[in-house]
Amino acid sequence: VHLVESGGGLVQPGGSLRLSCATSEFIFSDYDMHWVRQATGKGLEWVSTIGTAGDTYCPGSVRGRFTISRDDVENSLYLEMNSLRVGDTAVYYCARGFFSCLDSWGQGALVTVSS
Amino acid sequence: QSVLTQPPSVSGAPGQRVTISCTGSSSNLGAGYDVHWYQHLPGRAPKLLIYNDKKRPSGVPDRFSGSKSGTSASLAITGLQAEDEADYYCQSYDNSPSWVFGGGTKLTVL
Repeated sequence: VHLVESGGGLVQPGGSLRLSCATSEFIFSDYDMHWVRQATGKGLEWVSTIGTAGDTYCPGSVRGRFTISRDDVENSLYLEMNSLRVGDTAVYYCARGFFSCLDSWGQGALVTVSS
Repeated sequence: QSVLTQPPSVSGAPGQRVTISCTGSSSNLGAGYDVHWYQHLPGRAPKLLIYNDKKRPSGVPDRFSGSKSGTSASLAITGLQAEDEADYYCQSYDNSPSWVFGGGTKLTVL
């Protein structure tokens, strides 16, 4: 199982960024997929989930600003982030869902929101 | 404030046994949802250590074990090794629906 995030970088407050997660070595369309983030010195925080049917879930902290999507042909997961805040600065991980756990994770992509 | 509560830190000498607790509520652990545990080394991808309360993925040593009762869960590590020094997180599902994590516990091997 391979998951590789890309698209991280420096963005100004209020700006937008799109993260991608390229996957391989498993049948992508069979699995729920997640985004989880970790701010420096903080713990893991769930950001968003997309089910195999395209159903999506996210916490109130990102609702209306972040959109998760998937492309089952390209075996890729995406996170569109708008109206970014300084508090969104973190390493963002994509992870594969297995029942209610996250059984495989990528190495992460750093998103820095700063002026 | 994390939904699941873990001690910020634990420590133990090589060869000893340590436990890390995880306390939830009636909307997650108490509702019967499974608890999972992850090991996270700085700069690395988090690694699934225990799933569905007490199952070990292939390749995880049997020194790691999990248990759950009611709204609480525990991760036990026996025969502590220097390589076990890492951050450990519990995780479960919540009625919201949401996937919830503990605040993490830093394990120091003395």
